Amino acid sequence: DQQVKQNSPSLSVQEGRISILNCDYTNSMFDYFLWYKKYPAEGPTFLISISSIKDKNEDGRFTVFLNKSAKHLSLHIVPSQPGDSAVYFCAASSGGGADGLTFGKGTHLIIQP
Amino acid sequence: DVKVTQSSRYLVKRTGEKVFLECVQDMDHENMFWYRQDPGLGLRLIYFSYDVKMKEKGDIPEGYSVSREKKERFSLILESASTNQTSMYLCASRLSAPYEQYFGPGTRLTVT
Repeated sequence: DQQVKQNSPSLSVQEGRISILNCDYTNSMFDYFLWYKKYPAEGPTFLISISSIKDKNEDGRFTVFLNKSAKHLSLHIVPSQPGDSAVYFCAASSGGGADGLTFGKGTHLIIQP
Repeated sequence: DVKVTQSSRYLVKRTGEKVFLECVQDMDHENMFWYRQDPGLGLRLIYFSYDVKMKEKGDIPEGYSVSREKKERFSLILESASTNQTSMYLCASRLSAPYEQYFGPGTRLTVT
C-alpha cells in the first residue's frame, strides 16, 4: 500500500512560469514532510521541508503548502528555470521526523525554454 | 558542507556472492540510512541506525543486514546476492530528527 503518492509521473512547464508538484499521503501519523530533487546518477538533494504544525514554508523560489485535512502537499517553484529540470520526490516521516523517510515515486519536471 | 560518500559508484556481482556496500559521512551525524531506488517505485527504506551499534529495520529489510561499528560508517550487507537486488543503493545521514537527510551519490549494483 503506497502511503505517499505522486500521481503525475511527469510535468512540463515553460521557463519563467510556475511549476506546481503535488503529493498526497494516507498515513495520518506522518508529521514531517520534505521535498527532494534528483538529477540522474546523483543522490537526492534536499530542497525544503514542513512540519505538520505549519501550513506553509517558503525558501527563495520554493514554497511548500500543506493541507492536513486533505492529506495533501504541494511544491511551488516560481519562476521555473532550466536547472530545475529533474525528478522531484515527496517524502514523509512520523515521530517528528525521527524515523526513516517514506518516499513517493517521483515526478519528472521538464522546464521548456 | 555535509559529505556522504559511498565506496563504489558501480558494482557488478554474481548471484550468491556476499556484497558489502560502504557509506561514510564526515559531519558527525547520529543517524544513518540505507535506501534502494528502482524505476517506478521511488526510494524505499532498507535499514537505518540511530547511533553506533544500533539498527532498525525499514520497509524492505529482507535479504539485507547492516553494521555500524563507528559513528561515521554504515555498511549494508547482502548476505547472498540475488538478481532482484539489482538496484541503485543510496546512503543518507542526518544530525538527528527532525533535520533533513543528506544523501550520497549512490551505488549502482548489478547482480548477474
